[in-house]
Amino acid sequence: DAGVIQSPRHEVTEMGQEVTLRCKPISGHNSLFWYRQTMMRGLELLIYFNNNVPIDDSGMPEDRFSAKMPNASFSTLKIQPSEPRDSAVYFCASRLQGTNSPLHFGNGTRLTVT
Amino acid sequence: GENVEQHPSTLSVQEGDSAVIKCTYSDSASNYFPWYKQELGKRPQLIIDIRSNVGEKKDQRIAVTLNKTAKHFSLHITETQPEDSAVYFCAASIVQERFGAGTRLTVKP
Repeated sequence: DAGVIQSPRHEVTEMGQEVTLRCKPISGHNSLFWYRQTMMRGLELLIYFNNNVPIDDSGMPEDRFSAKMPNASFSTLKIQPSEPRDSAVYFCASRLQGTNSPLHFGNGTRLTVT
Repeated sequence: GENVEQHPSTLSVQEGDSAVIKCTYSDSASNYFPWYKQELGKRPQLIIDIRSNVGEKKDQRIAVTLNKTAKHFSLHITETQPEDSAVYFCAASIVQERFGAGTRLTVKP
């Protein structure tokens, strides 16, 4: 099992540009979570999906952020337009829905917006 | 929603000493309490978890205790080693995890 796969590992972009982060969950896991990690705010849940359906997006900071899960093996988090305050590490995690089981995190995408 | 508080924010111990990290949660419906370790530049990884029908769980040098009445749970690391140095996160979960702010543990050789 390759684990949760995120791409890219690092992204540097200029303010105003569109950024797309990608995630492939572990095969068989039907819950997928996007987290943002910063020194100031720690690990924040942005949105999560069950069976490809967004369940709770209350953590998405504003309309510039959007997330999709077109199928069970792929999800994207898009920021348009990006701003310097979006700089953070973005983690994707997955697990089997309905179980008290731990999250499996990807290696994260370190986003820097200049 | 669930609110998880974690203390202390930083902890420094000598190698071989014990380390204790404490968390409180607000939602009595929370039923799953994992602990994650995050080394510098890496992803969070589970080190131990406990479910609400259990009061204590131990795995070698690591133990977790849960007091449902008081709504707090703790991580205990005994015989600490330099490789235990990392940031530790507690979490409380009903459907999704809410994380504490993290504790940066430093073990001095």
